[in-house]
Amino acid sequence: DVKVTQSSRYLVKRTGEKVFLECVQDMDHENMFWYRQDPGLGLRLIYFSYDVKMKEKGDIPEGYSVSREKKERFSLILESASTNQTSMYLCASSLLSRSSTDTQYFGPGTRLTVL
Amino acid sequence: AQSVTQLDSHVSVSEGTPVLLRCNYSSSYSPSLFWYVQHPNKGLQLLLKYTSAATLVKGINGFEAEFKKSETSFHLTKPSAHMSDAAEYFCVGMDSSYKLIFGSGTRLLVRP
Repeated sequence: DVKVTQSSRYLVKRTGEKVFLECVQDMDHENMFWYRQDPGLGLRLIYFSYDVKMKEKGDIPEGYSVSREKKERFSLILESASTNQTSMYLCASSLLSRSSTDTQYFGPGTRLTVL
Repeated sequence: AQSVTQLDSHVSVSEGTPVLLRCNYSSSYSPSLFWYVQHPNKGLQLLLKYTSAATLVKGINGFEAEFKKSETSFHLTKPSAHMSDAAEYFCVGMDSSYKLIFGSGTRLLVRP
């Protein structure tokens, strides 16, 4: 079974802090994704990566950056956390690059609260 | 651009009765469509996916969905609801860049 793990289930930070959310997958998947989930909005894509050291902006990249130094690990960085970044953050990975049959596997999520 | 619309934000059924969660899509090409489920405090799990093979797609836990091009719909059904089906369900499409497009979600409540 594919396993996607996220470093924290719950996180509380203060406004202006630098925040790191870590995601690790154990299935040698090429692709990794970061989403945020807000009530009534579904999931929105923040950033994704099709290969090590590669990254592409999703639909809502403002205020976020990412890092992918190793294939299995994809980090989401909030350079200066703000209250409007309070949300549930979900990481996902998938095997096939740019394929209509690709299936994404999700981690359990990190619920971030910014005070 | 492709979009996905879930027609109900909440659906409530009694245990043992059928489940219908509605999803419409808009796409100028043959879409890939998925249903994911999210149980409380859990990540999303794939229920089923349609990728232009059979129009009736069977998924896990007794769920199935039918792709109807004439109605631009991909509704999720289950003949008999179980208490463990209570969760949030997402209808998901895929855009031309192979990125997922999520509906806003439908929360399913199952009454005993």
